[in-house]
Amino acid sequence: GAVVSQHPSRVICKSGTSVKIECRSLDFQATTMFWYRQFPKQSLMLMATSNEGSKATYEQGVEKDKFLINHASLTLSTLTVTSAHPEDSSFYICSAGSGGVGTDTQYFGPGTRLTVL
Amino acid sequence: GENVEQHPSTLSVQEGDSAVIKCTYSDSASNYFPWYKQELGKGPQLIIDIRSNVGEKKDQRIAVTLNKTAKHFSLHITETQPEDSAVYFCAASKLDAGNMLTFGGGTRLMVKP
Repeated sequence: GAVVSQHPSRVICKSGTSVKIECRSLDFQATTMFWYRQFPKQSLMLMATSNEGSKATYEQGVEKDKFLINHASLTLSTLTVTSAHPEDSSFYICSAGSGGVGTDTQYFGPGTRLTVL
Repeated sequence: GENVEQHPSTLSVQEGDSAVIKCTYSDSASNYFPWYKQELGKGPQLIIDIRSNVGEKKDQRIAVTLNKTAKHFSLHITETQPEDSAVYFCAASKLDAGNMLTFGGGTRLMVKP
């Protein structure tokens, strides 16, 4: 299957700082990328849908000014957690699809473990 | 919006036995149902998927069945092996409306050697 990478795999930061997470589709162009958050022993919760060249669509309850998403190219989307706090500590996972009506498979990245001290 | 329920939350089987995980969904317009396997500290990996125009799909030891009328679908793993131990997630989406996945709560499968 297609490969999606994330960087960094782990990050520890101090409260109040900002953290940027990159999601790249390595061997295909992704018109749509999705960002999920997963707390320990819980399911994946969709945070936002990132479309190349346009603004991201955020799910209800997700602060767009806190979780900044940029999808500047067909192979890269970034999630910036601004002014991070301990409650933002979580496993952040992106997925990518080639987009278009009727296409299906979403490929997931390996995830980024964020710990805010 | 879509709501996906998954059962059981934990499942322990003996190596060689079969494992069945069941999911129900609420939105009759959903037409794509993937299953993902997630190992500790890693991202989910697609193991099998099914579209609503098909009732069953099989790939070696893994099969998925779909009952559109009852709005439920199931994952069947035969001849389980210790390396099948992981958390399994079902999901549902509408392919013609952005393909945003709604995940079930997950099933922790433990295969005892």
